[in-house]
Amino acid sequence: EPEVTQTPSHQVTQMGQEVILRCVPISNHLYFYWYRQILGQKVEFLVSFYNNEISEKSEIFDDQFSVERPDGSNFTLKIRSTKLEDSAMYFCASSDVRWVIQYFGAGTRLSVL
Amino acid sequence: GESVGLHLPTLSVQEGDNSIINCAYSNSASDYFIWYKQESGKGPQFIIDIRSNMDKRQGQRVTVLLNKTVKHLSLQIAATQPGDSAVYFCAERNMGNTPLVFGKGTRLSVIA
Repeated sequence: EPEVTQTPSHQVTQMGQEVILRCVPISNHLYFYWYRQILGQKVEFLVSFYNNEISEKSEIFDDQFSVERPDGSNFTLKIRSTKLEDSAMYFCASSDVRWVIQYFGAGTRLSVL
Repeated sequence: GESVGLHLPTLSVQEGDNSIINCAYSNSASDYFIWYKQESGKGPQFIIDIRSNMDKRQGQRVTVLLNKTVKHLSLQIAATQPGDSAVYFCAERNMGNTPLVFGKGTRLSVIA
């Protein structure tokens, strides 16, 4: 069964450092998403991406965040200067139709020290 | 504003019994709902979805019921198994192409 894969599974970084979280969406999907889940809290929408551009973004997705699809398979989330409060699980998801069934990866746990 | 919430944060059921997990939503304009299951250390896994023009949808061992009058969504799991132990959360979509809004989740514990 096709799945969304994310790397790394755990990323530890120092405050102020840049991190790049990587995702390989399901191959025939056209819509890509990043979500965040702070420990014990709700899954929160960050950004959606379609046709090589951001289609929606939340208030969380400020200038410190960026997304990119550098090639035909990868989808990345970059945080330019990490803050302690960026510590969370980051999930990538993809779908073949916009805003319906989204398939999630296993997540990257980001720990900012 | 939009909000999705859950009546019970934890639910313990005996193996073999049926489970009912509830979700309240406040946005009457929501037109699409999804249930996800999240096991420890894993990403959310799609279970079942339902559109607002339906009030019931069945899958394998799962049924989702939608009551738009009281803005309530439930997930029923038949013959609950130990492998069903996880956090379950619902998500809603406001009418049209807008981001999903997720609830906090209910932890289901299956007692063998």
